[in-house]
Amino acid sequence: KAGVTQTPRYLIKTRGQQVTLSCSPISGHRSVSWYQQTPGQGLQFLFEYFSETQRNKGNFPGRFSGRQFSNSRSEMNVSTLELGDSALYLCASSDPAQDYGYTFGSGTRLTVV
Amino acid sequence: GIQVEQSPPDLILQEGANSTLRCNFSDSVNNLQWFHQNPWGQLINLFYIPSGTKQNGRLSATTVATERYSLLYISSSQTTDSGVYFCAGGMKLQFGAGTQVVVTP
Repeated sequence: KAGVTQTPRYLIKTRGQQVTLSCSPISGHRSVSWYQQTPGQGLQFLFEYFSETQRNKGNFPGRFSGRQFSNSRSEMNVSTLELGDSALYLCASSDPAQDYGYTFGSGTRLTVV
Repeated sequence: GIQVEQSPPDLILQEGANSTLRCNFSDSVNNLQWFHQNPWGQLINLFYIPSGTKQNGRLSATTVATERYSLLYISSSQTTDSGVYFCAGGMKLQFGAGTQVVVTP
């Protein structure tokens, strides 16, 4: 079974630009969650999607948005990038019907210059 | 939201030593998980353990749900066990700050 695939792996953007990150969950998983990891704030929850609906949202500004498609692939978008958005962005997929928890992708490392 | 507290924040072990990591939750969670993050950033799910005890090789975990804490045991540690160990749980899968483990040869 293929794992969680995140693209791209690395990204360098300029302040003020926008960026779109992609996450393909494990086949059959309908839940996708996104996290931001920084040295100062640790792992912070961004949002969770289930069957194309946002089910939970973290405490991030409206510049951070996401969506999920009918094939469960998810994208997150950050508009008007700031230097503080530099981070490792991780997505995780899960199947609420099974008791083995979340599987994470390798992440996208975003650097804003 | 739920607060997750992990201890100790740092741990240095000699190869072959045993250790215990602890995770406390401010409220009940029914989806407690332990993860290991390797130096390349990959988060690996070690245990899904809302209650009870599980073992996987040299690692085992115990969650006492009624007292809102979980323990991760590393036995006969190896250098490959180095990395950051996180516990997480709750509706938004809230993560603790992690325990940085360094195993020296």
